[in-house]
Amino acid sequence: DSGVTQTPKHLITATGQRVTLRCSPRSGDLSVYWYQQSLDQGLQFLIQYYNGEERAKGNILERFSAQQFPDLHSELNLSSLELGDSALYFCASSDPGASTDTQYFGPGTRLTVL
Amino acid sequence: GQNIDQPTEMTATEGAIVQINCTYQTSGFNGLFWYQQHAGEAPTFLSYNVLDGLEEKGRFSSFLSRSKGYSYLLLKELQMKDSASYLCAVRSNTGNQFYFGTGTSLTVIP
Repeated sequence: DSGVTQTPKHLITATGQRVTLRCSPRSGDLSVYWYQQSLDQGLQFLIQYYNGEERAKGNILERFSAQQFPDLHSELNLSSLELGDSALYFCASSDPGASTDTQYFGPGTRLTVL
Repeated sequence: GQNIDQPTEMTATEGAIVQINCTYQTSGFNGLFWYQQHAGEAPTFLSYNVLDGLEEKGRFSSFLSRSKGYSYLLLKELQMKDSASYLCAVRSNTGNQFYFGTGTSLTVIP
């Protein structure tokens, strides 16, 4: 158990809908990262937050947005969902003060868009 | 930009040793990580290299050559539970952004 929690574990919804994925980082970790993993692709970095502020942006679609709250939990919002958005969404957290600043991953949310 | 290459699939025998290679080309480098991922589960951290050389952790070792843009993960005394995907990730020197390879699917056979 990495100490990173994600909810929900599974989510099934229809095209055009909007969903929110939630992540709680490990205790003390200030950085949160979101990744998308599809069957035919590797882990794609979406976005990083550090202590409430956006730090880096990857291949995140305009239909997707995220935020990190004062208690450091983060939410990833996916809107106008398409079939191709079906994937595993992982959150990871890290402690920039640690010597390695390793990213630890949560169990993921499996999103199915029908 | 970032380019990370790993073999797609490998097969090895229980009890044997296997080496999984990773080559990378990055615009900025601040460490290389190896993760293990079982199907449908979260990647779990295995090892980290930022300086050249070999890091050993039990049955797992990882090697880095920065000048060659090359790393490998060595797994010894293979067990059936080692069947998984192994992900190589390079950390950028701007922020803490990780760039992942597509992973090497390792199958351990009896």
